Amino acid sequence: EDQVTQSPEALRLQEGESSSLNCSYTVSGLRGLFWYRQDPGKGPEFLFTLYSAGEEKEKERLKATLTKKESFLHITAPKPEDSATYLCAVLRDSGYALNFGKGTSLLVTP
Amino acid sequence: ETGVTQTPRHLVMGMTNKKSLKCEQHLGHNAMYWYKQSAKKPLELMFVYNFKEQTENNSVPSRFSPECPNSSHLFLHLHTLQPEDSALYLCASKAEGLSETQYFGPGTRLLVL
Repeated sequence: EDQVTQSPEALRLQEGESSSLNCSYTVSGLRGLFWYRQDPGKGPEFLFTLYSAGEEKEKERLKATLTKKESFLHITAPKPEDSATYLCAVLRDSGYALNFGKGTSLLVTP
Repeated sequence: ETGVTQTPRHLVMGMTNKKSLKCEQHLGHNAMYWYKQSAKKPLELMFVYNFKEQTENNSVPSRFSPECPNSSHLFLHLHTLQPEDSALYLCASKAEGLSETQYFGPGTRLLVL
């Protein structure tokens, strides 16, 4: 059975304090790994898709990396507007459903 | 309107009511999805439609009934719901082709009394 575990559950950072969020996964045949950002009361907003180990993608202060067992979302010099819940999801070969983790709730204080 | 839209954004209903949630995608996608997001739980897939055909029903109770009249519109018909069905219901869509990325709407916050 596919498993997606995100850590930590919650993270509090000072503005400018870089850190990483972890997503460990177990899936029989990975078709893709996805990162989303979700603000309270809103739908998930797409950030990145990673398809193979070694792949990296960047967008502003965020960088996502992928290995065969886990993915990291690195946040460099975060700002208060980066505060949100970050969701990781995997899609298996021949599957339709994204299998989501529970998310990491990030709070960045000024 | 752009992206994926959902109406209503908020809904309160009694256990004997019948209501419908609507989703519309303006992205030219061919696949549409319903997900349920309950407090402290991961998003759970409910239904998948590809080119208007239902391809997955994730053991969802029959009090939830999906309808996909065309590739741009998706409905979720609700009847005799239970309080534990209170959640955020999210619609998503995806294009046919190499990209597997699903794009989500803002969700409908449902409260069942």
